[in-house]
Amino acid sequence: NAGVTQTPKFQVLKTGQSMTLQCAQDMNHEYMSWYRQDPGMGLRLIHYSVGAGITDQGEVPNGYNVSRSTTEDFPLRLLSAAPSQTSVYFCASSYDPREGQETQYFGPGTRLLVL
Amino acid sequence: EDQVTQSPEALRLQEGESSSLNCSYTVSGLRGLFWYRQDPGKGPEFLFTLYSAGEEKEKERLKATLTKKESFLHITAPKPEDSATYLCAVQAGYGGSQGNLIFGKGTKLSVKP
Repeated sequence: NAGVTQTPKFQVLKTGQSMTLQCAQDMNHEYMSWYRQDPGMGLRLIHYSVGAGITDQGEVPNGYNVSRSTTEDFPLRLLSAAPSQTSVYFCASSYDPREGQETQYFGPGTRLLVL
Repeated sequence: EDQVTQSPEALRLQEGESSSLNCSYTVSGLRGLFWYRQDPGKGPEFLFTLYSAGEEKEKERLKATLTKKESFLHITAPKPEDSATYLCAVQAGYGGSQGNLIFGKGTKLSVKP
């Protein structure tokens, strides 16, 4: 089991550029989520998905799009990057947390710098 | 509003000096409280889940406890390798945030030899 994997590890973008952060898990988890972590702010939920074809917004969704075409993959898209999106992004997965107290497992993170 | 507050923000200990980290919370029907450890440049690593008041869990030098309003992470005789940021998160049982995790800002622990 590779667990939760994320690519790339580090990325530099110019304002207005677009990119996709990749996340994959091999644990057959229904629930996947994206967080951003900023100094002094803690982890904040961007978007989440409870299964293929189902996505919903978290606390800070503006400027980000997601889709879930397979159980394994949950990419996060920045359509027009802004300096405020400079952050560390973490993907996490678990069994469906609406069913019980399911532990979320995190990937290693993607560090994004927007100039 | 669901929220999690961790204190202190930073804690410096000498090796062997025991202490506790605090996590206070307000949440719509607590389903679970989670403790994670995060090393610099890494993703959060799961430590414990607590489900109900009075519950305790232990792992090596760490012991987590839960009351109706807060959780404590007790560190007994810490070693330098325990240095990390410790994150607390709660999972709401109902409402708009049902199932999602709400994180505190973390406590950065430094243990000096």
